[in-house]
Amino acid sequence: KAGVTQTPRYLIKTRGQQVTLSCSPISGHRSVSWYQQTPGQGLQFLFEYFSETQRNKGNFPGRFSGRQFSNSRSEMNVSTLELGDSALYLCASSLDGQGNNSPLHFGNGTRLTVT
Amino acid sequence: DQQVKQNSPSLSVQEGRISILNCDYTNSMFDYFLWYKKYPAEGPTFLISISSIKDKNEDGRFTVFLNKSAKHLSLHIVPSQPGDSAVYFCAASGRRAQKLVFGQGTRLTINP
Repeated sequence: KAGVTQTPRYLIKTRGQQVTLSCSPISGHRSVSWYQQTPGQGLQFLFEYFSETQRNKGNFPGRFSGRQFSNSRSEMNVSTLELGDSALYLCASSLDGQGNNSPLHFGNGTRLTVT
Repeated sequence: DQQVKQNSPSLSVQEGRISILNCDYTNSMFDYFLWYKKYPAEGPTFLISISSIKDKNEDGRFTVFLNKSAKHLSLHIVPSQPGDSAVYFCAASGRRAQKLVFGQGTRLTINP
């Protein structure tokens, strides 16, 4: 079974631009979650989508948004990029979603650098 | 608010010996706990989990222990191998806590 796939692997953007990251979950998984990893903050939860609905959201500004499509694939968008948005963005899928004793399975992430 | 804490940023263990990684949590709503392993330039890989109805779960060389009264869990790796060198994250969630919350990670180095 194919794992979680994230594209692109690396991205370099300029302050003020916007970016869209893509995630394809494991086949059959209905939940997709997004996390931001930075050296100082560890893994911070962004949001979770389940069957195309946002089910939970972390403490990030409205510049961070996402969506999920009917095939469970998900995209994350960051608008008006800031230098502090430079991070590894991780997508994870699970069968039954967070809070249901269902482990998350992560992709290899998209490394975003904002200059 | 650090609900899940890994107080040791790093740990060094000799090959063949036991590695013990520790994790503390504060939220009594958590009832499901996991350990992940992460190599550089890769996403975290799920290792082992435990629900609050148990106090121990084993999978090969990996055993997770849960002490609910102390709000403490630990991961034991026996015997430790060079390929175990990685960053280990503990994580917790619950039916009422919803989102999976991660600790800051512990970098484990296995020395030959």
